[in-house]
Amino acid sequence: DTAVSQTPKYLVTQMGNDKSIKCEQNLGHDTMYWYKQDSKKFLKIMFSYNNKELIINETVPNRFSPKSPDKAHLNLHINSLELGDSAVYFCASTYLGADTQYFGPGTRLTVL
Amino acid sequence: AQKITQTQPGMFVQEKEAVTLDCTYDTSDPSYGLFWYKQPSSGEMIFLIYQGSYDQQNATEGRYSLNFQKARKSANLVISASQLGDSAMYFCAMSPALQGAQKLVFGQGTRLTINP
Repeated sequence: DTAVSQTPKYLVTQMGNDKSIKCEQNLGHDTMYWYKQDSKKFLKIMFSYNNKELIINETVPNRFSPKSPDKAHLNLHINSLELGDSAVYFCASTYLGADTQYFGPGTRLTVL
Repeated sequence: AQKITQTQPGMFVQEKEAVTLDCTYDTSDPSYGLFWYKQPSSGEMIFLIYQGSYDQQNATEGRYSLNFQKARKSANLVISASQLGDSAMYFCAMSPALQGAQKLVFGQGTRLTINP
């Protein structure tokens, strides 16, 4: 049973395209996150949703738009992809106020 | 603002030896949580251990223990009896222990290689 899953695992696309990454968790958590890991392995938070409501919105270009249709799903849509968007994107989930976040397997995005 | 520093970019250890991965942190929050995650070459992020800033005892989880020294602002990870499967990137992270969403702040990571 996969706890936090992401699709796709790999995404290769051209500059200027629009793409989406999907995340689903079956842990019953109410809070989900998107993190970006750059080529130097540095991880940084992007967004967080609690029960479909945006609660953390870091300094991220507005080409990135998260959407949470329900508390078990969090998607990330990226418009007008740029070379610098190439990274691994991780979804994570937890209960609001809880300590430990559980991560998905990551989506490696490559922009050519 | 919170900051995590991991000063060891890479470490090489013989199998079965104990290894300590260093982590220092900086925060003005009165309470906070400290975490270690493992990222093997397959890429996933695996939660290892958690320490709350008000916990009196150091956290332990199997072969992992967290050496928490609050006055020195350090939260080193100790892996006892290392195994080949411990070879991975290890990330130290922290978050404020507040109500609401916990924003993890990560260090740069340490790449651990276990030699047979």
